Amino acid sequence: DAKTTQPPSMDCAEGRAANLPCNHSTISGNEYVYWYRQIHSQGPQYIIHGLKNNETNEMASLIITEDRKSSTLILPHATLRDTAVYYCIVRVVYAGNNRKLIWGLGTSLAVNP
Amino acid sequence: GAVVSQHPSRVICKSGTSVKIECRSLDFQATTMFWYRQFPKKSLMLMATSNEGSKATYEQGVEKDKFLINHASLTLSTLTVTSAHPEDSSFYICSARATGKNNEQFFGPGTRLTVL
Repeated sequence: DAKTTQPPSMDCAEGRAANLPCNHSTISGNEYVYWYRQIHSQGPQYIIHGLKNNETNEMASLIITEDRKSSTLILPHATLRDTAVYYCIVRVVYAGNNRKLIWGLGTSLAVNP
Repeated sequence: GAVVSQHPSRVICKSGTSVKIECRSLDFQATTMFWYRQFPKKSLMLMATSNEGSKATYEQGVEKDKFLINHASLTLSTLTVTSAHPEDSSFYICSARATGKNNEQFFGPGTRLTVL
């Protein structure tokens, strides 16, 4: 079962910031939070990941709460090409250092002109 | 960035035939590759994890004799859907874990399988 919950859909105006929330209240101390997105009928695209500290790259920023029970992905200036399903994922570590990405249903983000 | 390719991108076959899907890491070596299946409007479901030179590890409920996985080299893994049936129609996606690139997983573009 997925360890994350996300709103099923969100809308954002083109040029504005898109803030996508994610709850992961049962996350363990050694589990990372990953964000991927999937444009229709394509493979997932990596966006960003983090453990405790906030992270930023050329695509987005990731804000993780101090208790690590939730996080927010920020697309600073959304464009029409950012319309996709965004997945917040906890990377679970099993015995033998076996790491797996457990996928939920994601948030379908629609960026409107 | 790391690029993963899949071939074919789309395949239509008759019920009872077998279909092979290739997954290649183009500019990096991948000791571990993953195969996922995704039904319409659903999330990705991990089918199996394969490590180069060893047998794949299948998730619960995935038949290893039906979904044959071969990870013969550090850049190639294949998934063969044997005796395909209409219920096997799905979007199959592979990913490769890149050693030395923070162990991140990079995904292929997916293969749309339709079994008639």
